Amino acid sequence: AQRVTQPEKLLSVFKGAPVELKCNYSYSGSPELFWYVQYSRQRLQLLLRHISRESIKGFTADLNKGETSFHLKKPFAQEEDSAMYYCALSGSDKLIFGTGTRLQVFP
Amino acid sequence: DSGVTQTPKHLITATGQRVTLRCSPRSGDLSVYWYQQSLDQGLQFLIHYYNGEERAKGNILERFSAQQFPDLHSELNLSSLELGDSALYFCASSLTGVRNTEAFFGQGTRLTVV
Repeated sequence: AQRVTQPEKLLSVFKGAPVELKCNYSYSGSPELFWYVQYSRQRLQLLLRHISRESIKGFTADLNKGETSFHLKKPFAQEEDSAMYYCALSGSDKLIFGTGTRLQVFP
Repeated sequence: DSGVTQTPKHLITATGQRVTLRCSPRSGDLSVYWYQQSLDQGLQFLIHYYNGEERAKGNILERFSAQQFPDLHSELNLSSLELGDSALYFCASSLTGVRNTEAFFGQGTRLTVV
């Protein structure tokens, strides 16, 4: 079965601090992982995908198949990063989301 | 604006009633996904349609059904509504049904069952 786990509901940091939002997954096949973000009063939108191996807005995420993880990282958080972040897994014609982590960045 | 349109934005109805939620995907997108978001539940996958055909089902109740029409818009029908069905219902569309395709979300329909 496909499953995505985001253990933290809320992550609070100060501006300039490093950020790591955790995501673990369960999938028997070859997973495709994404991070989606929802800023206040905006729609859910794609932040990055593992296959692109890119950095978006300073965020990166590496797929670790051994640990079945796809953690989202940023070395220096900014106030504008405050948002709801969802990890998602695509497979078997399903796009499954975790429960989300709210990131609060304080000035 | 993602190009995905959901109507209505808000809906208030009584228990036992039936409602229809509508989703118009982005132009050219063949896939439509439906999700339910309840308090503290995250986005629960309900169903995926691709070019008019059902592709995958999630934890969708038997009281719920969906379809995708030839013009690719989709409807989610919720019947015999219960208080617990109150939630935000999202649809998303993507260009294809294959993996690693970005999904674009609508603004959601907030359903309140009283």
